[in-house]
Amino acid sequence: QKEVEQDPGPLSVPEGAIVSLNCTYSNSAFQYFMWYRQYSRKGPELLMYTYSSGNKEDGRFTAQVDKSSKYISLFIRDSQPSDSATYLCAMTRNTGNQFYFGTGTSLTVIP
Amino acid sequence: DTEVTQTPKHLVMGMTNKKSLKCEQHMGHRAMYWYKQKAKKPPELMFVYSYEKLSINESVPSRFSPECPNSSLLNLHLHALQPEDSALYLCASSQAGRGVNEKLFFGSGTQLSVL
Repeated sequence: QKEVEQDPGPLSVPEGAIVSLNCTYSNSAFQYFMWYRQYSRKGPELLMYTYSSGNKEDGRFTAQVDKSSKYISLFIRDSQPSDSATYLCAMTRNTGNQFYFGTGTSLTVIP
Repeated sequence: DTEVTQTPKHLVMGMTNKKSLKCEQHMGHRAMYWYKQKAKKPPELMFVYSYEKLSINESVPSRFSPECPNSSLLNLHLHALQPEDSALYLCASSQAGRGVNEKLFFGSGTQLSVL
């Protein structure tokens, strides 16, 4: 079983839709949770960061962590064509330098 | 400033060439990473330097040789690569892995093609 599971999609939505992206994980020691946006042939850009459980909002983006279910989500409101990218979830424990990535979800927002 | 700078952005090399990838960060981070990423795959860890010492080597072939000259710089020396080594090479940095505000910041990557 992989440490982190993420539906690869692809996901295609109309402009203005609400997008929900999700990851599940198996290691209860994970404490720090990240979402990255990656455009083709570019490095991943850190979008959202959450420590432990709870919600975090930044503009059109909301990250949720449910540690009891080992489930994290990223919601994008009022999606724009510029949101078309691959979204990677990542997580880590509070010690060591190992980050665990999902496989990425490819999102296309259609104008 | 949350920037990790990588050079060059693109590199084409032959199988007998020697080249180096460079990475720099000025965030005071004490852990620096090299990842390799193939198309439509997540980043794959190659090396980690923590406090300028190599702490993780994920069984990477010796044709890849990392170097950390100081806490801000990270190099990856390439020699006798194979065509299957063609990929996006990503440098990243984070704070020291001691449970303090762990975030991983990536550079824009070097797109490497081996002919």
